[in-house]
Amino acid sequence: KNEVEQSPQNLTAQEGEFITINCSYSVGISALHWLQQHPGGGIVSLFMLSSGKKKHGRLIATINIQEKHSSLHITASHPRDSAVYICAVPYSGGGADGLTFGKGTHLIIQP
Amino acid sequence: NAGVTQTPKFRVLKTGQSMTLLCAQDMNHEYMYWYRQDPGMGLRLIHYSVGEGTTAKGEVPDGYNVSRLKKQNFLLGLESAAPSQTSVYFCASSYSWRGPYEQYFGPGTRLTVT
Repeated sequence: KNEVEQSPQNLTAQEGEFITINCSYSVGISALHWLQQHPGGGIVSLFMLSSGKKKHGRLIATINIQEKHSSLHITASHPRDSAVYICAVPYSGGGADGLTFGKGTHLIIQP
Repeated sequence: NAGVTQTPKFRVLKTGQSMTLLCAQDMNHEYMYWYRQDPGMGLRLIHYSVGEGTTAKGEVPDGYNVSRLKKQNFLLGLESAAPSQTSVYFCASSYSWRGPYEQYFGPGTRLTVT
């Protein structure tokens, strides 16, 4: 089973700050997922990436396959970015048999 | 498209009662998953299905059964509910045969077992 570690567990920042959340995993993977969960519970897929970098608006995700590490960055953070961010990888590395998840990073952006 | 829907949204059971959670998707996805989310534990895979008529165990399958009689539906059953099964249950689906597989999540079912 793949093991996923996320850091930090909790992060409070001021509006406008640059945010970085880190994720490391133990077994080689086909792709890594970044998910967002707002209070109220819905889970949304932000990124799925297998190499390099992806950008969507103010969110940037990077992955280093050799080091088994990924980062999620938020530029010009805003209070609406407050949510739990979850890193996930395939349970056994492949992809069809579901995901295993980090415990999440609880992000609060203060105005 | 409704995406992934879950029924019911909330349920309270007494210990020993049974129930079935329904997950439905209208995206013609082959793969479907059931996860549970608990404070401090994160999300964990219960069971999954890679196609109609096939199911497999995930990380925490004990106390649960599943069925995938139709491609669009994935049912999670609790035969004899226990307080340890108090959790939020999420269903997800993803496309098949060409990975990697982005997953689409349902809104969740909050289950309390007293």
